[in-house]
Amino acid sequence: ETGVTQTPRHLVMGMTNKKSLKCEQHLGHNAMYWYKQSAKKPLELMFVYSLEERVENNSVPSRFSPECPNSSHLFLHLHTLQPEDSALYLCASSQVLGNGELFFGEGSRLTVL
Amino acid sequence: GQSLEQPSEVTAVEGAIVQINCTYQTSGFYGLSWYQQHDGGAPTFLSYNALDGLEETGRFSSFLSRSDSYGYLLLQELQMKDSASYFCAGVNYGGSQGNLIFGKGTKLSVKP
Repeated sequence: ETGVTQTPRHLVMGMTNKKSLKCEQHLGHNAMYWYKQSAKKPLELMFVYSLEERVENNSVPSRFSPECPNSSHLFLHLHTLQPEDSALYLCASSQVLGNGELFFGEGSRLTVL
Repeated sequence: GQSLEQPSEVTAVEGAIVQINCTYQTSGFYGLSWYQQHDGGAPTFLSYNALDGLEETGRFSSFLSRSDSYGYLLLQELQMKDSASYFCAGVNYGGSQGNLIFGKGTKLSVKP
C-alpha cells in the first residue's frame, strides 16, 4: 500500500467511448503525475500537476484530458481512444515537484478495442 | 536529447551480487533515482542520488558520477524476491519544471 489509489484497476473500452481514470493520494503531497507504461518502452510522462496547477504536458494527444480538482485527486478523462492507447496508466505523487521520490499507484490497465 | 540506457536483462543466482548500470544523456540533470517493479505491481522507490557518490540502504546501494554521466544500482545477497524490473530515472530540470525521465528498465531474474 503506497498511499496512492487508482480506480478502476482494469478498463476495456471501445474507440467511441468516454471514460475516466481516477487517482487519489492520501500522503499530503503537492505534486501528482500521470505516466503511461507500454510493453518494451520506458515509462512516459504524460502530465504533471503541482499545487493543482498543470506544469507539464508532454505533447499528449487531446483525446487524453487531465483534471486536478484538488491536491489529493487527479483524473484522466479518455475519449475516442485508439487501440495503440492500450497500456498501463500509472498515477504517482511526490511531496514536492521534482524531488526524485515518486509514490506510484497500482495502475489502471486500459484495453481499447 | 534526454535518454537513459540500462541493460534489458540480467540473470544472477541467490546470494550473489549484481550491478545494474545506467548511463544517461540529459540536459539540466539534477539527480538519479532507482525504482523496482514486480510483474503486475506498481513501481516502488528504492533510492535517490542527488550528489555524486554511494548511497547505501540495506542490501541495496546506488552510485552516481555526474562527470561520467553514469550511475548504478548494486544488489547484494540476492534473494528470489528480488526478481523484478529495475528502472533508473533522471530528475530533469531541462524542461519548464522538474520531472522524472525513466530508462526502459532491467529485468532481473534470480535463480536458485
